[in-house]
Amino acid sequence: EAQVTQNPRYLITVTGKKLTVTCSQNMNHEYMSWYRQDPGLGLRQIYYSMNVEVTDKGDVPEGYKVSRKEKRNFPLILESPSPNQTSLYFCASSFSWEGSYNSPLHFGNGTRLTVT
Amino acid sequence: DQQVKQNSPSLSVQEGRISILNCDYTNSMFDYFLWYKKYPAEGPTFLISISSIKDKNEDGRFTVFLNKSAKHLSLHIVPSQPGDSAVYFCAASEYNFNKFYFGSGTKLNVKP
Repeated sequence: EAQVTQNPRYLITVTGKKLTVTCSQNMNHEYMSWYRQDPGLGLRQIYYSMNVEVTDKGDVPEGYKVSRKEKRNFPLILESPSPNQTSLYFCASSFSWEGSYNSPLHFGNGTRLTVT
Repeated sequence: DQQVKQNSPSLSVQEGRISILNCDYTNSMFDYFLWYKKYPAEGPTFLISISSIKDKNEDGRFTVFLNKSAKHLSLHIVPSQPGDSAVYFCAASEYNFNKFYFGSGTKLNVKP
């Protein structure tokens, strides 16, 4: 089954304790991206990756890191989480053509992060 | 400042009637528009899209209309069904661009 898998689904942590949210897709998609969803703000893009070893900032990258060492995986790293990073996080992927639109995004089921 | 706005946080419609969800955008460079549906505890799923060269795209009960001069798009669901109850997000992207901008969502409730 074609899917984007995020882990964990729920995470409660304390300020300053490094954490990683994993994301994996099995559709051989080039493009992967991370979003956070907050009430009244919709989904805001954190980072995206066009392909292996190619990453770039979205609209809200502060406090986050990503890496793309393999095509299927795109982990989100919070080196020193703070309470304002409490949010619902989504990983997404899509097939990307050079010189054309990306195909629609396929989303994972989300990771609810609470930082106390 | 949000480039894509959904000004109605919620909408309630009777089963069988039409649901109209609205979305406005500010960036005239946006070239590709999408609607996503989201159920609780799931990720958004793609519903329908439209490129700026069209003003209408239809897929079964779902139709998206684009008015570029007004920077406005809408999603029509006819007839509405209780299973359509979900949060609907509109999103936009520039051509050959890697960022998607999402609205804040509209929660649709279709009453039986």
